Amino acid sequence: ETGVTQTPRHLVMGMTNKKSLKCEQHLGHNAMYWYKQSAKKPLELMFVYNFKEQTENNSVPSRFSPECPNSSHLFLHLHTLQPEDSALYLCASSQEGEVTEAFFGQGTRLTVV
Amino acid sequence: EDQVTQSPEALRLQEGESSSLNCSYTVSGLRGLFWYRQDPGKGPEFLFTLYSAGEEKEKERLKATLTKKESFLHITAPKPEDSATYLCAVQTGTYKYIFGTGTRLKVLA
Repeated sequence: ETGVTQTPRHLVMGMTNKKSLKCEQHLGHNAMYWYKQSAKKPLELMFVYNFKEQTENNSVPSRFSPECPNSSHLFLHLHTLQPEDSALYLCASSQEGEVTEAFFGQGTRLTVV
Repeated sequence: EDQVTQSPEALRLQEGESSSLNCSYTVSGLRGLFWYRQDPGKGPEFLFTLYSAGEEKEKERLKATLTKKESFLHITAPKPEDSATYLCAVQTGTYKYIFGTGTRLKVLA
């Protein structure tokens, strides 16, 4: 495996379900991110982890719960979601530095019914 | 407030018809500007990093340029496989990236 891999690619869940999204990066980076992408909106940063420590939480509802057990793995735990949470959820990683590109996974298309 | 604006929102070109996409930015501190390509239902794919005004980068039919206020992605003689959404992002902090909403490009054969 190379780059950033996300599973599952597609997820349909009811509003009462609990599910988790998984992300793994094989780039040796020390920062990992969760972004939400909705139609016609810019990518919306949800969480940032640097060396397993959460450095940003952009006022994300508590129904989204991140977990970063090590610098290569990132999870997003989902529970009691709303239909408006349906979106493409993207994981990314980057190396710490003055100017550093973020590399993205293929995303999880989440549909809340 | 830091902001990145891309135009046009959508663009249709005939195969071989060259054009440019625009990314204008208003940020307090630009560290770098990035271009990504995103195919439907997939994650953004990194294309270029531009560090300072006057810089240019090329890759196949794509050329990215940067000024103090905006960046252009020039597409020369595009092919249908260049159809995608092109995203621009600026880095303003160690872990802070601001993205535009993208330009949806459709190249017709």
